[in-house]
Amino acid sequence: NAGVMQNPRHLVRRRGQEARLRCSPMKGHSHVYWYRQLPEEGLKFMVYLQKENIIDESGMPKERFSAEFPKEGPSILRIQQVVRGDSAAYFCASSPIGRRDTQYFGPGTRLTVL
Amino acid sequence: GIQVEQSPPDLILQEGANSTLRCNFSDSVNNLQWFHQNPWGQLINLFYIPSGTKQNGRLSATTVATERYSLLYISSSQTTDSGVYFCAVVETSGSRLTFGEGTQLTVNP
Repeated sequence: NAGVMQNPRHLVRRRGQEARLRCSPMKGHSHVYWYRQLPEEGLKFMVYLQKENIIDESGMPKERFSAEFPKEGPSILRIQQVVRGDSAAYFCASSPIGRRDTQYFGPGTRLTVL
Repeated sequence: GIQVEQSPPDLILQEGANSTLRCNFSDSVNNLQWFHQNPWGQLINLFYIPSGTKQNGRLSATTVATERYSLLYISSSQTTDSGVYFCAVVETSGSRLTFGEGTQLTVNP
């Protein structure tokens, strides 16, 4: 049973470019969460999605960031016009039920903005 | 929102020593998880433990939900135990994990 998969594992972008991060949840999991870890800090919640629905996006920056989890395919975290402060590790987690269940984390995507 | 505090922030051990890491949280929780982030940045689930006690090899964890704390015990530590240990909780009204700032553990040979 494959775990949570994220790609790419490392992503380098220049300021002003777009970054697209993908997350495939564990088989049978319909809940996806995105977290961001800035250098030398803990993880901070960004967004919680179910298939075709954003449930909680209270941790998302107001501009340039968006997320989706379509009926088919992986969840996508999109960052437009990246800035140096977006450099971080972005982790995706999935769970089968939601807030009462274990969240399983992927290996993360490390974004570097030059 | 809920507050999560971990202690100590840093811990240095000699191989073979035992240690206890603490996590305090400020409100009732549905979910509490302990993670190990290894030096390569990977997050590894250690325990899902909203209450009670669990053991897995040299690691064990206890959560006393009524007193809002959890403890992670590491016995006979090994150099591969080095890394950052995070506690994270989901408050009863929510679904997101709120992480503590972590305990940086270094185990020297």
